[in-house]
Amino acid sequence: DTGVSQDPRHKITKRGQNVTFRCDPISEHNRLYWYRQTLGQGPEFLTYFQNEAQLEKSRLLSDRFSAERPKGSFSTLEIQRTEQGDSAMYLCASSLGGVGNSPLHFGNGTRLTVT
Amino acid sequence: AQRVTQPEKLLSVFKGAPVELKCNYSYSGSPELFWYVQYSRQRLQLLLRHISRESIKGFTADLNKGETSFHLKKPFAQEEDSAMYYCAPYYGQNFVFGPGTRLSVLP
Repeated sequence: DTGVSQDPRHKITKRGQNVTFRCDPISEHNRLYWYRQTLGQGPEFLTYFQNEAQLEKSRLLSDRFSAERPKGSFSTLEIQRTEQGDSAMYLCASSLGGVGNSPLHFGNGTRLTVT
Repeated sequence: AQRVTQPEKLLSVFKGAPVELKCNYSYSGSPELFWYVQYSRQRLQLLLRHISRESIKGFTADLNKGETSFHLKKPFAQEEDSAMYYCAPYYGQNFVFGPGTRLSVLP
């Protein structure tokens, strides 16, 4: 499967713990996005990379959230001191920038449950 | 902030009936418009984009800049069309997703 892959698929953690998720985009895609989705809502933008540069970050994003894409390939999203409100599906998507507004290719997501 | 509204959370139609899923977006320049779909137990995927003017799985979408709407239509719904549908304008360097409409096509 050469699509976007995310790991883990599910994560259950206790409030106050740190968690890290990984996303492997489609190999030739230079843009990588993180979205969060809660029940009954559409995906909500968190942050966006072009190659290794983080170009945009949602103003709604708490300082507890940080994302990296060190070599312009895979990306990690870390949430520190998790709260119950962080429970959601975290989606990663990639696209090929530089050819107009290339559509997003999504992974299956990581479902986070904070107890 | 850019906003996208999809007024129906759930839309139920019978097989063979026409279907229209509504989408309105807040005005900011001329965003490119997309519809994404999520079938049961599958990942979110592109259904169609306005610029390509393609008809995918019998769906088309009409852009009305005056009303800032991008409604999705299909003349004859099929059971396999049952899914969640998200309208997603592309603003700047980012897609903004609507809350989604669940389409249920009844036999």
